[in-house]
Amino acid sequence: KNEVEQSPQNLTAQEGEFITINCSYSVGISALHWLQQHPGGGIVSLFMLSSGKKKHGRLIATINIQEKHSSLHITASHPRDSAVYICAAEDDKIIFGKGTRLHILP
Amino acid sequence: DVKVTQSSRYLVKRTGEKVFLECVQDMDHENMFWYRQDPGLGLRLIYFSYDVKMKEKGDIPEGYSVSREKKERFSLILESASTNQTSMYLCASSLGGGGFVLSSPLHFGNGTRLTVT
Repeated sequence: KNEVEQSPQNLTAQEGEFITINCSYSVGISALHWLQQHPGGGIVSLFMLSSGKKKHGRLIATINIQEKHSSLHITASHPRDSAVYICAAEDDKIIFGKGTRLHILP
Repeated sequence: DVKVTQSSRYLVKRTGEKVFLECVQDMDHENMFWYRQDPGLGLRLIYFSYDVKMKEKGDIPEGYSVSREKKERFSLILESASTNQTSMYLCASSLGGGGFVLSSPLHFGNGTRLTVT
């Protein structure tokens, strides 16, 4: 059974800082998803990747298949980036991590 | 843009009531999912449907049933609500890929926060 671990659980940083959130999984996967959940509950899909790196605006997601590890980076962080970030590993089903709560201070 | 709409944002029901949570998506997606989200536990799959009238149990189906009579609508039913079903319920959809495997990103609704008293 795949297990998905995220770190850190909570992260507080100053506006402008470079942010890294990590995700590790235990078995081989077909894809890794990064999701963002704002206060109030709605979840938005940020990335779906199976190799290498993807970039969208200030967000970058990378994955290392051999090491079973993915990272989500936020450059020039802003208070509106404050949210819970969730990774999910997909093999024959999708297993979600418990999320990283990010708080960016102005 | 894909829109997944859940019928209620907040719902308060009494123990033993039958509860219907409705979800509608507007992008002709084959896959639809119901999750519940609890603090410290993350998202857990209740039921999954990959086509009209097709359903598969997820990790925690006990106490729930689902209905998918039309492609765009996926309903979650709590036959007899209990206090341990107090939770945030999230509906999601995606393009088909067969089974649980996705071929495309998940699109979520805004969630229904259900309280059972």
